[in-house]
Amino acid sequence: EVQLVESGGGLVKPGGSLRLSCAASGFRFSDFNMHWLRQAPGKGLEWLSSIGISNTYIYYADSVKGRFTVSRDDAKNSLYLQMNSLSAEDTAVYYCARDPGFRGMPGTRADYFDNWGQGTPVTVSS
Amino acid sequence: DIQMTQSPSSLSASVGDRVTITCRASQSIDTFLNWYQQKPGKAPQLLIYTASNLQTGVPSRFSGSGSGTDFTLTITSLQPEDVATYFCQQSSITPPLTFGGGTKVAIK
Repeated sequence: EVQLVESGGGLVKPGGSLRLSCAASGFRFSDFNMHWLRQAPGKGLEWLSSIGISNTYIYYADSVKGRFTVSRDDAKNSLYLQMNSLSAEDTAVYYCARDPGFRGMPGTRADYFDNWGQGTPVTVSS
Repeated sequence: DIQMTQSPSSLSASVGDRVTITCRASQSIDTFLNWYQQKPGKAPQLLIYTASNLQTGVPSRFSGSGSGTDFTLTITSLQPEDVATYFCQQSSITPPLTFGGGTKVAIK
């Protein structure tokens, strides 16, 4: 069974930093592209970042470019999101999600999300 | 960036009713359109990918159609467990990967 478990969220002051983690299990993590998304309270879904297998590509949404950094450690089956210069607008539940690959072929890009973690909440407040 | 517009933003229907949700893209995205269901307090789940393909395990009362700029998600017989917010998402011209604003479905 595919499982994605986020951690690292919490309360942080404006201007502060947090590092989110996403532990993957139940599939060959190194074969899949991965994504981070978020959902502000009462709002819709926002894609934040994508990372390809073997770091073949990395993309960011304009809203986080230059402040957030995505990375992965295939040996630890883990995905990370380093978040710096946080503001109140970053308050949200943060999700990691798996990309199933084009026509289900691992390692290719489908740019949608077939498995999601349960989310980790981040609150930016003084 | 491609803008995704969903309608309606909310709806209320009776158990057994046929429910249709519409998603429109600001430019053609072929069939690169995906639908997600998010139940209250839970993470989203993939329902339909590339416009009309039912994700494994999703009940057959859900279906998707469309191509180009106009897409629909249909629930043929609404069930109480379908109370959720539904989001469309385009995967054609990326990044960014963009979502519709969501449609909240309630039982009348």
